[in-house]
Amino acid sequence: DVVLTQTPPTLSATIGQSVSISCRSSQSLLDSDGDTYLNWLLQRPGQSPQLLIYSVSNLESGVPNRFSGNGSETDFTLKISGVEAEDLGVYYCMQATHAPLTFGSGTKLEIK
Amino acid sequence: QVQLQQSGAELVKPGSSVKISCKASGYTFTSYDMYWIKQQPGNGLEWIGWIYPGNGNTKYNQKFNGKATLTADKSSSTAYMQLSSLTSEDSAVYFCARAMGINFDYWGQGVMVTVSS
Repeated sequence: DVVLTQTPPTLSATIGQSVSISCRSSQSLLDSDGDTYLNWLLQRPGQSPQLLIYSVSNLESGVPNRFSGNGSETDFTLKISGVEAEDLGVYYCMQATHAPLTFGSGTKLEIK
Repeated sequence: QVQLQQSGAELVKPGSSVKISCKASGYTFTSYDMYWIKQQPGNGLEWIGWIYPGNGNTKYNQKFNGKATLTADKSSSTAYMQLSSLTSEDSAVYFCARAMGINFDYWGQGVMVTVSS
């Protein structure tokens, strides 16, 4: 199975600070169809996960544009440009290029 | 609006089975895959499988073959997951999620299953 390693496991940020989360894959996530199926999810405390970014860099409808994603092959980054209080929670990367679909172990964002 | 309403929490005995539901509304149930995801306390997320209600096709994570069975009832727009031969390792929150491709755009609220004697 593809292993997704997220760093850091925990992140503490002040309001307005910009932060980045890394997701490194054990295999290239570039699919034979040319797409890269790497998504980012946020799970706020006590809530279900929600989709933030799909296919590396595409912002899901309704998600604030302070969230952005980039990367290729095996290295991916989620950036939050100007953290807000509502951004606290656990961020997961997820890949669907290779079966079975797998998730990273999560990065917990705390607000100072 | 799109909603996925899951059934209530379950307390079940080891060795038994449980069937949890996910009732969809606000969209054409037969046109989207429904994924099921497991989350153990304090742990991350694990994909169980998906079902396409339009034709009943399913695909499972090999790890859950024999453990989970996915079905869907088109008449009630409800997806089901049955978990069998339950052990403490099956104690978790189980989510259903609608998928557009592999993008989970709507999630149920989750069902906590506790396996205990």
